[in-house]
Amino acid sequence: GQNIDQPTEMTATEGAIVQINCTYQTSGFNGLFWYQQHAGEAPTFLSYNVLDGLEEKGRFSSFLSRSKGYSYLLLKELQMKDSASYLCAPSYGNNRLAFGKGNQVGVIP
Amino acid sequence: DTGVSQNPRHKITKRGQNVTFRCDPISEHNRLYWYRQTLGQGPEFLTYFQNEAQLEKSRLLSDRFSAERPKGSFSTLEIQRTEQGDSAMYLCASSSGPGNQPQHFGDGTRLSIL
Repeated sequence: GQNIDQPTEMTATEGAIVQINCTYQTSGFNGLFWYQQHAGEAPTFLSYNVLDGLEEKGRFSSFLSRSKGYSYLLLKELQMKDSASYLCAPSYGNNRLAFGKGNQVGVIP
Repeated sequence: DTGVSQNPRHKITKRGQNVTFRCDPISEHNRLYWYRQTLGQGPEFLTYFQNEAQLEKSRLLSDRFSAERPKGSFSTLEIQRTEQGDSAMYLCASSSGPGNQPQHFGDGTRLSIL
């Protein structure tokens, strides 16, 4: 496997900032996707990093360090609807995604 | 954009039966992927098609599993002689190519083996 390592659960209050970390194996690595998955629903695409650095999309930002095999997803100005699982998915080979277990984020008022 | 469509949404069957799932990808997408997801885990890659060619299969895909994409549009995933351990959500995703384009997922087929 690609040894995707993500912490499993965290809780934060509305308006807060949370950072979700992910480490992965670098051999054969193409790029890294982040997905959001609400309970009982399909994963939805959030962001993609192929080069080192930070990609910002509204309240969500994602960072990649290819040499360190490390990425993080930053969620700003948390809203209740952000309560979901966040999946780190490095891409290998034919864009085969190797998902981690996901990080369950719970947002409380 | 109608999104990725999967049928059926739920399938309950007895152990030993055969089941077949269908996936209709986003129409202009040439790449199609099947994943399996169990509770508390992320999706696991099963197989990948580029147009009608099956280019990659996971070692998770035992000989009881077969997938096809005969005309490069919709795909089917068949499981023969189902076992308890096959109970999972089966997710289909599609993307355009070449390069690493985002994969768009369907709502999945939830399989329950009695």
